[in-house]
Formats: sequence, C-alpha cells, structure tokens
Amino acid sequence: NAGVTQTPKFRVLKTGQSMTLLCAQDMNHEYMYWYRQDPGMGLRLIHYSVGEGTTAKGEVPDGYNVSRLKKQNFLLGLESAAPSQTSVYFCASSFMGAGVYGYTFGSGTRLTVV
Amino acid sequence: DAKTTQPNSMESNEEEPVHLPCNHSTISGTDYIHWYRQLPSQGPEYVIHGLTSNVNNRMASLAIAEDRKSSTLILHRATLRDAAVYYCILRAVSGTYKYIFGTGTRLKVLA
Repeated sequence: NAGVTQTPKFRVLKTGQSMTLLCAQDMNHEYMYWYRQDPGMGLRLIHYSVGEGTTAKGEVPDGYNVSRLKKQNFLLGLESAAPSQTSVYFCASSFMGAGVYGYTFGSGTRLTVV
Repeated sequence: DAKTTQPNSMESNEEEPVHLPCNHSTISGTDYIHWYRQLPSQGPEYVIHGLTSNVNNRMASLAIAEDRKSSTLILHRATLRDAAVYYCILRAVSGTYKYIFGTGTRLKVLA
C-alpha cells in the first residue's frame, strides 16, 4: 500500500519555466490537498479538492493551478516559475473533510527556482 | 479557524516521558484536536486526535483539558526517532476542509 506518492522528488527550474507536480493516492480518498513549506515555517495550503473534478483555493493560491481529473490524482501546475516559489511541496489526502478524519501526507517535492 | 499556540522548542532525555503542550483558548465545541509530527526531510505524519475525552494509541496519548482550551501530547518513552516538529491543529467537525498549520514545537531528544 503506497499511500500518497509525489513525483518528482526534486526539481530545479529556471525563472519563467513551467512544470507539473503529480500527487497520486491509492486509498480511495475523496479529499486531496497541496501545501508548501518554506524553511523554518509551517505548512501553507495552496489548493485543495473535495472530489473528482473539483478544486478550490487555499491560503496561497497565486501562481499555481490545479486539476483533479481522476479521483486518485491531484496535479499542481506552475505556469511561469518564480524564485519565490522555491519551496518544499507536500500533497495530502483524507477520506473525507470532517475533523474526525486525519490526513496522509506524501514525502514532498523539493523545488528550486533559479 | 481557531488558532493554537505551542512552545517553539523542547528537550527531553531518551526513555523519559515527554509532555508537549498546546493552547487553543478559542476552540469551538465542534473542533477536533489533531496532532501531527514531521521528521526531518519527511512529510507530516498523523499521531493522534480527539474531541473531548483523552485518547491513547500505539504512538502517544492525548490529554484534553476539561474546558478544552488546552491539550497535551504525551510520548511515554521518548526515543531518538521521536525527534521531530510536532504540530497541534484544530479541525471543525464539518464544513472546513483544511488544516491551518502553525510552526509547531521542535522536540530534541538527548541520548
């Protein structure tokens, strides 16, 4: 049981380049989330999805887009990368959104924009 | 979302119990208290959660104050592998789909 898998694990981009981060979960979870974590900081929510075909903005959505075409996958896109987007990105999923359910996190993607 | 307050850092000796406090004075009656930990270079890992009663699992215990304005995560015997950042987070029973993470408590375990 793989849980939540993020690809790639590391990436270096030049300013202005685009890329897509993939998150895949095999637990049949309805809810999926993208967070970013900057050095010495807690996690900040970028976007989330409450089911296949749905997406919603989190705390820091600017500069990112997401898609949830399949229930098991949640994609995070950077259309024109900026140095301020250098961060570690974590994907998470949960069975439902209510407080009784916990999250399962992936191991992260470390992105550097130069 | 109600906020939580945790000490920035704590130290413990190996094989001794550790009590990690969390204040959440603005908690509502429908907020669950969740704890996660983040080991170095890894994603956060679920530890435990509760609503009103104290909870135990194989990883830890959660003690919730009677007025629910504070809680304590208890690691019964700290090991070096427990060195991590511990996050205390509140989640509503319904209608809110996201965690708000603070900066957590960095636990250092001394051999």
